[in-house]
Amino acid sequence: AQSVTQLGSHVSVSEGALVLLRCNYSSSVPPYLFWYVQYPNQGLQLLLKYTTGATLVKGINGFEAEFKKSETSFHLTKPSAHMSDAAEYFCAVSHNFGNEKLTFGTGTRLTIIP
Amino acid sequence: EPEVTQTPSHQVTQMGQEVILRCVPISNHLYFYWYRQILGQKVEFLVSFYNNEISEKSEIFDDQFSVERPDGSNFTLKIRSTKLEDSAMYFCAGRRRSGRGETQYFGPGTRLLVL
Repeated sequence: AQSVTQLGSHVSVSEGALVLLRCNYSSSVPPYLFWYVQYPNQGLQLLLKYTTGATLVKGINGFEAEFKKSETSFHLTKPSAHMSDAAEYFCAVSHNFGNEKLTFGTGTRLTIIP
Repeated sequence: EPEVTQTPSHQVTQMGQEVILRCVPISNHLYFYWYRQILGQKVEFLVSFYNNEISEKSEIFDDQFSVERPDGSNFTLKIRSTKLEDSAMYFCAGRRRSGRGETQYFGPGTRLLVL
């Protein structure tokens, strides 16, 4: 069975500082991994995903994530936080072929300090 | 850019009442999902729907729940007799085609409160 763990339900960073949101996964098959963001009163929006190939994945709004199989991690980073990055971030893993349902982590709420 | 929409955005109901949550997926999507998030907990898979039938459902999705896509447009989730523990945010999602890497596009959610 697949699962996702997000360390830190709340993370605060200063504007301009590095953003690091942690995600570790457990999967019995090669994982497909996703980061979604939820802004207030909006749906879940895909930031980036890893399927195969290059392990460093770049997404929207300057975010990127690196798939590290040896560490079973897929941490999300952004070099310089912006006030507009304040949101909730969800890491997810996709299941096997078939219905491809997603299993999500508990989410991390990112606060940007001016 | 096309978006998934959901109505209502908020619904308050009494325990035992029926509720219908509605979703309008992106028009060229073929696979549909409902997820829910109880406050402070994970987003959980409820059900997937393809070719007008359920392809998988979780153990949460018991006989009180049903889904349908009656007119090829709206995708609905019905809870026949709501319980207090059904209070949650319900998300609809859609996907264009098969494949583990295919993106699921989510709606903004319906916040359901059962009193």
